[in-house]
Amino acid sequence: EIVMTQSPATLSVSPGERATLSCRASQSVSSNLAWYQQKPGQAPRLLIYAASTRATGIPARFSGSGSGTEFTLTISSLQSEDFAVYYCQQYNNWPPLTFGGGTKVEIK
Amino acid sequence: EVQLLESGGGLVQPGGSLRLSCVASGFTFANYAMSWVRQAPGKGLEWVSTISDSGVNTYYADSVKGRFTISRDNSKNTLYLQMNSLRAEDTAVYYCAKWGGRSGYFDFWGQGTLVTLSS
Repeated sequence: EIVMTQSPATLSVSPGERATLSCRASQSVSSNLAWYQQKPGQAPRLLIYAASTRATGIPARFSGSGSGTEFTLTISSLQSEDFAVYYCQQYNNWPPLTFGGGTKVEIK
Repeated sequence: EVQLLESGGGLVQPGGSLRLSCVASGFTFANYAMSWVRQAPGKGLEWVSTISDSGVNTYYADSVKGRFTISRDNSKNTLYLQMNSLRAEDTAVYYCAKWGGRSGYFDFWGQGTLVTLSS
């Protein structure tokens, strides 16, 4: 099973600042990695797939990078609606499909 | 517009059974694999099960293998999860999720249905 580790667990950022979230895989997942955003009481929403491709309707301030075992989600200028929990997920080697433990982006 | 609407959650005793349903609309259901993903209260996301577009192939997390059964009825655009021998640790919101193409990421999610185990 591929273990996904996200850091930090919590990120405190001021509106307008850049946020950088990390996701590490226990073995290579190539570029088969997705990022999701989840707000309280809501279902997750796909942001990024194939490590760097934005999903339909996702603003350009969200970008993904990386391959192999190290990945990054960057939010270039945080808006109020971006404060949420973010999860990474690998789909290179399954079952099982595995998620990271999440990073909570909170207002500083 | 893609919509996934889950139902069937509720309060059940340990050892009991429950069947979840997910009605899909806005896309050609029979062309996509589908999955169930769950989230225990205050916890992260956990993949539960996947079924291929035709329904021939099914996959399960070890934590539910032998107890849960995923199925689909493409004529009714409906995904199911039969849950037997339920345990306290199965308490969670269960989401139905559509696969993005033939890859294993999820491009659309339902709103979720809560399953609570309590004696």
